[in-house]
Amino acid sequence: SQQGEEDPQALSIQEGENATMNCSYKTSINNLQWYRQNSGRGLVHLILIRSNEREKHSGRLRVTLDTSKKSSSLLITASRAADTASYFCATDLAGNSGYSTLTFGKGTMLLVSP
Amino acid sequence: EAQVTQNPRYLITVTGKKLTVTCSQNMNHEYMSWYRQDPGLGLRQIYYSMNVEVTDKGDVPEGYKVSRKEKRNFPLILESPSPNQTSLYFCASSRGLYYNSPLHFGNGTRLTVT
Repeated sequence: SQQGEEDPQALSIQEGENATMNCSYKTSINNLQWYRQNSGRGLVHLILIRSNEREKHSGRLRVTLDTSKKSSSLLITASRAADTASYFCATDLAGNSGYSTLTFGKGTMLLVSP
Repeated sequence: EAQVTQNPRYLITVTGKKLTVTCSQNMNHEYMSWYRQDPGLGLRQIYYSMNVEVTDKGDVPEGYKVSRKEKRNFPLILESPSPNQTSLYFCASSRGLYYNSPLHFGNGTRLTVT
């Protein structure tokens, strides 16, 4: 079942601008992860933020998590044409069996123009 | 190099002709999973495996089979493919979702069933 929903569905910006993508989810999570997918290729993990963390940085990426609002945002600063890709959030749910499951949203398509 | 290897990369087949998509990982990961990706629907989980000889249905298991006889391999079997199984398929693995660890994805298999 779909858990995370990214917003916007598509985003077009110029090189050098910042890009912000949002993810909302419905139920309690262990962690939330962001992935990137270049056209038709496999997803690549970008960053993982645990449910007890509020903000995390990795290079030009900044991720925030607000568990009270059940939402997360991914900020890419000083974007480059090479950042053009689809970005997915994935929520790691706290399952009743003790095992957790990872569920993906539908993604935000980012286009960065030179 | 740590990787998840899927084969074949492209496959065109006819309705009803059994096929297998192979997936192998060299990272000694416990968890493996199959996803399909369709436009507008995002990634949906087909089957997953927490460890050898342990498999479970995901969100869209109908028409698929899997097996996990060895830790490194997790083949996806379509006993009688139908056109609605035309899709982009991804295999992924991780240490295990208990470990808050990210998924590593293969490069995908684009399947067309005519």
